[in-house]
Amino acid sequence: DTGVSQDPRHKITKRGQNVTFRCDPISEHNRLYWYRQTLGQGPEFLTYFQNEAQLEKSRLLSDRFSAERPKGSFSTLEIQRTEQGDSAMYLCASSSYTGEESYEQYFGPGTRLTVT
Amino acid sequence: AQSVTQLGSHVSVSEGALVLLRCNYSSSVPPYLFWYVQYPNQGLQLLLKYTSAATLVKGINGFEAEFKKSETSFHLTKPSAHMSDAAEYFCAVSRLNSGGYQKVTFGTGTKLQVIP
Repeated sequence: DTGVSQDPRHKITKRGQNVTFRCDPISEHNRLYWYRQTLGQGPEFLTYFQNEAQLEKSRLLSDRFSAERPKGSFSTLEIQRTEQGDSAMYLCASSSYTGEESYEQYFGPGTRLTVT
Repeated sequence: AQSVTQLGSHVSVSEGALVLLRCNYSSSVPPYLFWYVQYPNQGLQLLLKYTSAATLVKGINGFEAEFKKSETSFHLTKPSAHMSDAAEYFCAVSRLNSGGYQKVTFGTGTKLQVIP
């Protein structure tokens, strides 16, 4: 168990560019979550996958955002036409499907996005 | 609906002193409650969780929290602060969502400063 990994750890981009982040969850975890954390705030839910199915999307996830989990393993989060307001830490988490462990989400180190 | 309120965005304690971080929650159903710690530029690490078993929950690094239903509180304590405890702490509440997964709502965080 190597934990949840995210790549890249830091991304600086110019406004209007597209960016893509990757999350590799804990291998046996079926559930995967994306969160956004801005300065001075707690993480805010963006979207949830169970295996490859995206089952819920927050209203925070505008049409410029898209997330995929094509084979039920890793996931990508793409932001098109980035805006300065997109600057934040993007966190990925995963959890088990059943039992007591389903209550606990394991977080990756995050990708810090800076839009200039 | 569920929410979490963390009282005090910044808390300072002397090394060796008691740490008390306050958290009140609101939930329409019996909640699951969590405390996470976040070090700079890192993801969240679970300190402890309450899932309707014992009301006094012990976690890692000497932290514990007590679930008090009558006060809707889940305060985090540690008898003696260490310099390594300096970090940001997030209280979170979750409930089983209609989609069959735990929907987690985080507080805004409390930054703990430990003074030598």
